[in-house]
Amino acid sequence: DAMVIQNPRYQVTQFGKPVTLSCSQTLNHNVMYWYQQKSSQAPKLLFHYYDKDFNNEADTPDNFQSRRPNTSFCFLDIRSPGLGDAAMYLCATSTTGGSGTQYFGPGTRLLVL
Amino acid sequence: QKEVEQNSGPLSVPEGAIASLNCTYSDRGSQSFFWYRQYSGKSPELIMFIYSNGDKEDGRFTAQLNKASQYVSLLIRDSQPSDSATYLCAGYSYNNNDMRFGAGTRLTVKP
Repeated sequence: DAMVIQNPRYQVTQFGKPVTLSCSQTLNHNVMYWYQQKSSQAPKLLFHYYDKDFNNEADTPDNFQSRRPNTSFCFLDIRSPGLGDAAMYLCATSTTGGSGTQYFGPGTRLLVL
Repeated sequence: QKEVEQNSGPLSVPEGAIASLNCTYSDRGSQSFFWYRQYSGKSPELIMFIYSNGDKEDGRFTAQLNKASQYVSLLIRDSQPSDSATYLCAGYSYNNNDMRFGAGTRLTVKP
């Protein structure tokens, strides 16, 4: 089945220790998104790729970076995680010219100690 | 300024009743609207989307859109305990490929 896959599902890191979260998709969608979601809050868009074009939200901290080496994969790098970065990180995909529907992966729960 | 507003709830309905979830949006550039269901600790899953004024039905779910009032709703008929979750409303603008989510309404269906 076509899907969005995120690894790992749970990530524990130490304060200030870099961490990388990964997302892959078999949907062949050209747009990929990274969201941060904290408890009882709306998913907050960090950035998205339209093909290889990177789009950063204005309020996304510099501590967050992203890479998309090919259509299928996208990575979220947190250079120096702080306690406030503990959250669920959601990857989503969509295709241009369609309804705008975004399909989410299962998410990665990040814990910062 | 929040662009998509939802009542956080919790909304509690008895099993078999109709649950009514509401959402308002401020961006008139939004053209499509989505309802996602999110179970605790899980990722959002799409229930349905709507882009034309009026009603759209899919099984037990009916989405309603009123662009003049900037209002979207989701009705769940014959509510089941398995419908207990947080429901996220989102508005999407094709022009800038921008999806904005509300914070969600928590629904509890009591047996």
